[in-house]
Amino acid sequence: DVKVTQSSRYLVKRTGEKVFLECVQDMDHENMFWYRQDPGLGLRLIYFSYDVKMKEKGDIPEGYSVSREKKERFSLILESASTNQTSMYLCASSPGQVGTEAFFGQGTRLTVV
Amino acid sequence: SQKIEQNSEALNIQEGKTATLTCNYTNYSPAYLQWYRQDPGRGPVFLLLIRENEKEKRKERLKVTFDTTLKQSLFHITASQPADSATYLCALINDYKLSFGAGTTVTVRA
Repeated sequence: DVKVTQSSRYLVKRTGEKVFLECVQDMDHENMFWYRQDPGLGLRLIYFSYDVKMKEKGDIPEGYSVSREKKERFSLILESASTNQTSMYLCASSPGQVGTEAFFGQGTRLTVV
Repeated sequence: SQKIEQNSEALNIQEGKTATLTCNYTNYSPAYLQWYRQDPGRGPVFLLLIRENEKEKRKERLKVTFDTTLKQSLFHITASQPADSATYLCALINDYKLSFGAGTTVTVRA
């Protein structure tokens, strides 16, 4: 079974802290994605990557950066956390062919206080 | 700007009836459209994919249609059961970018 693992289920951070959210997949997928999910807004794409060291901005990249040094790992970085970044963060991966299904991690509930 | 809109936030139906969910999009020309199911506190799970040259796709009690002229997909759950209660999300694929609608929460009453 494909497994996408996010490093933390729940996280509480202070305003201004640098926050790292880690995601690891074990199926050699080329594509990886980071979303945030808020009530009424659905999943909004922050960044995605279609290859190692490659990254593309999604719909709401402001305040975030990403790193993909290895194929299996995709990290989301909040350079200076703010309260409006309190949200559920979901990581996903999919094989390289366009159109294939995405597999999601269990999510990280981040609270910035 | 690009938009993916799902018809309503919530749908309540009686067990055994058919649930019909709508996904409309603007300023996209997707080659693929997918539907996912999400249960509370969990990540979405893939259900079905339909290609732009396919009109309809079925999987067990699920049926999806895709009309690129209307820029709309319909998702049907036939003979609905309480276990079908969840949030259903449509997703569009442009190149490698996978974008989602806000979802429709379906509640099936026994």
